[in-house]
Amino acid sequence: DAKTTQPPSMDCAEGRAANLPCNHSTISGNEYVYWYRQIHSQGPQYIIHGLKNNETNEMASLIITEDRKSSTLILPHATLRDTAVYYCIVRVPINDYKLSFGAGTTVTVRA
Amino acid sequence: KAGVTQTPRYLIKTRGQQVTLSCSPISGHRSVSWYQQTPGQGLQFLFEYFSETQRNKGNFPGRFSGRQFSNSRSEMNVSTLELGDSALYLCASSPFGGDEDTQYFGPGTRLTVL
Repeated sequence: DAKTTQPPSMDCAEGRAANLPCNHSTISGNEYVYWYRQIHSQGPQYIIHGLKNNETNEMASLIITEDRKSSTLILPHATLRDTAVYYCIVRVPINDYKLSFGAGTTVTVRA
Repeated sequence: KAGVTQTPRYLIKTRGQQVTLSCSPISGHRSVSWYQQTPGQGLQFLFEYFSETQRNKGNFPGRFSGRQFSNSRSEMNVSTLELGDSALYLCASSPFGGDEDTQYFGPGTRLTVL
């Protein structure tokens, strides 16, 4: 997605928190930040989304800066099964009916 | 709730054949979208169905078609298969409605055309 910028790759130690940054400096007021991940050859998995406030669910936390120009996905205790490509996208759900993923961040969790 | 299911998971066909892929959305979800994913082109939108009607369509040739049934289950069909149709075909369902309409993907069908 050309609206977001993510680092191409990052490593994380098992059991540690993984912090994945995403830049979306041109985000508009009604666009949500969504995160998906895709483990090799499987369907993308929805992780979390948010508009302005920080969000937390059983998988992760999403921290959105006050100006909404960037966000961070936090996996609190990374496991080997969290090794995947992580995609950050911005969209207006009711308008943007089709999803488009950029290159994402390849996260490798190491034992 | 059960997730999105897709059948079959793997398929091998030869050029010129046709194929039908099936998708069962999450219970209560009314919108079903189909995507093609390849290493070179990434995720590409095929079409979206809601209440048995195709609402949106991507830029794919007419060989790619789909339909949705009254129970929201959906099928897509690819006729006259070409080598370039080899891909992971993904189905995603969403409840539709509201500002936070999230799409949930199935595991995909891996199609190989020989």
